[in-house]
Amino acid sequence: DAKTTQPPSMDCAEGRAANLPCNHSTISGNEYVYWYRQIHSQGPQYIIHGLKNNETNEMASLIITEDRKSSTLILPHATLRDTAVYYCIVRLIHGSSNTGKLIFGQGTTLQVKP
Amino acid sequence: DVKVTQSSRYLVKRTGEKVFLECVQDMDHENMFWYRQDPGLGLRLIYFSYDVKMKEKGDIPEGYSVSREKKERFSLILESASTNQTSMYLCASSLLPGVGTGELFFGEGSRLTVL
Repeated sequence: DAKTTQPPSMDCAEGRAANLPCNHSTISGNEYVYWYRQIHSQGPQYIIHGLKNNETNEMASLIITEDRKSSTLILPHATLRDTAVYYCIVRLIHGSSNTGKLIFGQGTTLQVKP
Repeated sequence: DVKVTQSSRYLVKRTGEKVFLECVQDMDHENMFWYRQDPGLGLRLIYFSYDVKMKEKGDIPEGYSVSREKKERFSLILESASTNQTSMYLCASSLLPGVGTGELFFGEGSRLTVL
């Protein structure tokens, strides 16, 4: 699975949009981009995933560049409860060699401030 | 909602003890995983299982074994606990690749301290 690079930490004001970048320059054509977050003392929680089109759900939006070498997770109106570590992961979702395992990097610690 | 339940949130054991960490999921998932999480090292995969009685080593299997006798239950075993196994242990489950979103569902974690 391709390696990802994320900034170690970011701050965001409460009520503003939080934009979390991720570089995955070695991503291959059949690898998806996944985002998870981990709130302190809890297990990671799935947020969103995408292949090449932008995606939106009730939690966030995912913007993937046309060359797919980077993506941005957008939390449109950050709240204090969004303070967490955010992980960007790329992985195969199909294929006989895929066991479904996820390889986590260090993630970005997002601090939402009042 | 999918629920992944880990048997203990906090455990304290002594060096050399045998330790069992239990994980149960209620959504009939084929895949189950054990990770450990340490400050500065992130989440690292210990073992995973894609079917009953099947197991595969992850990135750091040394010092651990696993058991999957029933589809819903995946146990992590520390045969002889050591202080460097003090960590947060996270269990997860998912459907097989290509089915659904590929999302992993995690338990709340088990924080193990080995003295």
